[in-house]
Formats: sequence, C-alpha cells, structure tokens
Amino acid sequence: NAGVTQTPKFQVLKTGQSMTLQCAQDMNHNSMYWYRQDPGMGLRLIYYSASEGTTDKGEVPNGYNVSRLNKREFSLRLESAAPSQTSVYFCASSESAGLVYEQYFGPGTRLTVT
Amino acid sequence: DQQVKQNSPSLSVQEGRISILNCDYTNSMFDYFLWYKKYPAEGPTFLISISSIKDKNEDGRFTVFLNKSAKHLSLHIVPSQPGDSAVYFCAQTGTYKYIFGTGTRLKVLA
Repeated sequence: NAGVTQTPKFQVLKTGQSMTLQCAQDMNHNSMYWYRQDPGMGLRLIYYSASEGTTDKGEVPNGYNVSRLNKREFSLRLESAAPSQTSVYFCASSESAGLVYEQYFGPGTRLTVT
Repeated sequence: DQQVKQNSPSLSVQEGRISILNCDYTNSMFDYFLWYKKYPAEGPTFLISISSIKDKNEDGRFTVFLNKSAKHLSLHIVPSQPGDSAVYFCAQTGTYKYIFGTGTRLKVLA
C-alpha cells in the first residue's frame, strides 16, 4: 500500500515549456486535490476532484489544467510554464465527497521554472 | 474572505516540556479543523482533528483545543520529543475546500 505517489520528484523547466505532474492513490479514495506550497505561505488549493469524472477550480487555478483520468489518478498540467509557477506541488486524496475526512498527501514535486 | 492564521512562524521548546501551537480563523462557516505535521522533503501527514461541536480532542500526547467564541484553536504536545521537530499546519474545512495556515516550525531541543 503506497498511499499517494507523485512523479516526478524534481523538475526544471524553461519558461514556456509544458509538463504534466502525475499523481496516483491506492486507497480507493473518491476525492483528490492539487496544492502548491510557496515560502511563507500555506498550502493553496489549485484544483480538486470531488469524485471520478468531476473537477473544480480551487484558490489559484490560473495557468493550470487537470485531468481525473480514473478513480486512482489525477494529473496537473502546466501548458506554458512561468517563473511564478516555481513551487512545491502536493497531491492529496481523501475518503469521500461531501464529507469531511483528513487528506493524505504525496511526497511532493519540486518544480523550478527558469 | 476566509483566512487561517498561524502568527508564530517558529517555536523552540525543551524536550519533555509542553509545546503549544496556535491558530486563528476568521470565518465560522466551515466547522472542522485539522492539524498536519510536515517533515522536510515529505508531504504533510494528518495529526489530529476537531469538529466545532467539541472544544477538545485528545490523541496520546496531542490535544487540540477549540475556542469558538475567540475563533482560536491550539495544539498541545505533552511531553515534547525531538522527533516532534517539524512544521505544523492548521487547516479549516467544511466541504472540499481546505484552508491552510502558513505553518509554525517547531524545534524540540534535546
């Protein structure tokens, strides 16, 4: 039982390049989330998926797109990377849509955009 | 605007003593609170939670207190251990939306 896994762990992009961050969970959770963490700030929600087949914007969605590929996988895409997107990205999952459960986080992807 | 604030960016405590981490919130609409612990180069891990229908929840060395009138919650760690050294985030939620504080870095001195 690996929990929440993220790939890659590290990535360096040039401005304008695109990439997809992958996330998978093996806990059969319905809800999945993408956050970014910047120095001096808490985790900020980019997008979430309450259940398979649905996605919604969070607090800071601009410049990102997501795909809930199936119940296990939730990817985050940067179409044209900008230096402001340099951050640590965390994927998380939780038990059930509409109810409050603790989230389980992946180890993070450290992204640098030059 | 919903905000969750952790006004102390860092805290140092002697091993064996009590650590108290504080968190304030502005919006009472979301009524569930969580604490997470984060080690460097790892994702946050869930520690303890509390619903607004309670004012205290305890789990081993960790106790969370909720003061709804003051819109304040605190995490007590007793006794503190060196392995507790980490960044602690409080979060508020009610549905899918989780609002995190900026974190408090706890250092437990041996």
